[in-house]
Amino acid sequence: QSVLTQPPSASGTPGQRVTISCSGSSSNIGSKTVNWYQQVPGTAPKLLIYINNQRPSGVPDRFSGSKSGTSASLAISGLQSEDEADYYCAAWDDSLKGVVFGGGTKLTVL
Amino acid sequence: EVQLVESGGGLVQPGGSLRLSCAASGFTFSSFWMSWVRQAPGKGLEWVANIKQDGSEKYYVDSVKGRFTISRDNAKNSLYLQMNSLRAEDTAVYYCARGTAVGGYFFEYWGQGTLVTVSS
Repeated sequence: QSVLTQPPSASGTPGQRVTISCSGSSSNIGSKTVNWYQQVPGTAPKLLIYINNQRPSGVPDRFSGSKSGTSASLAISGLQSEDEADYYCAAWDDSLKGVVFGGGTKLTVL
Repeated sequence: EVQLVESGGGLVQPGGSLRLSCAASGFTFSSFWMSWVRQAPGKGLEWVANIKQDGSEKYYVDSVKGRFTISRDNAKNSLYLQMNSLRAEDTAVYYCARGTAVGGYFFEYWGQGTLVTVSS
């Protein structure tokens, strides 16, 4: 059971917009910033969004993040086949004194 | 170019020990927090431990407290994870990651991972 809650799966067709939700609590998302990671199967995770809505250099602007209260969302617009991957949200938890992850969402591009 | 290269994984019996290493290059190692994150086969990501730039602060997930020790050698640009009293549930790919503690904590760069298998 992960501290942050994500849907286990999401899907969309090329060109569509999909969103992935991440729900937490006041000790993590409610008081700290949210980060998102993309992991293509068989490879190491990659930072996708940091500090709620910032994109590292090289990440397309099709990816965007937002946060409200104790929840956060990752949106992917103009879906492409190479976006098929697992997506994880994460945040620092003040109560646990550590980083907590969501269980991951497997995105399928139909 | 930032590079993180893990080593030291392998097969170990339950109750045994293993020491993982992470060689860092392409950045000023002593200026950054460093972390270990693991992923059990077919499962999600799990944070394991963080260490501050000078080693003065260390944080661990509850399940490894008292068994694992994170350390660093800034002169050698290296991060370590000493794992003792290993259990089957510690079987995972272990990733070394460079951390940034701003508004929370995030992992900016990741290594390719090293597999630890705990089995008799």
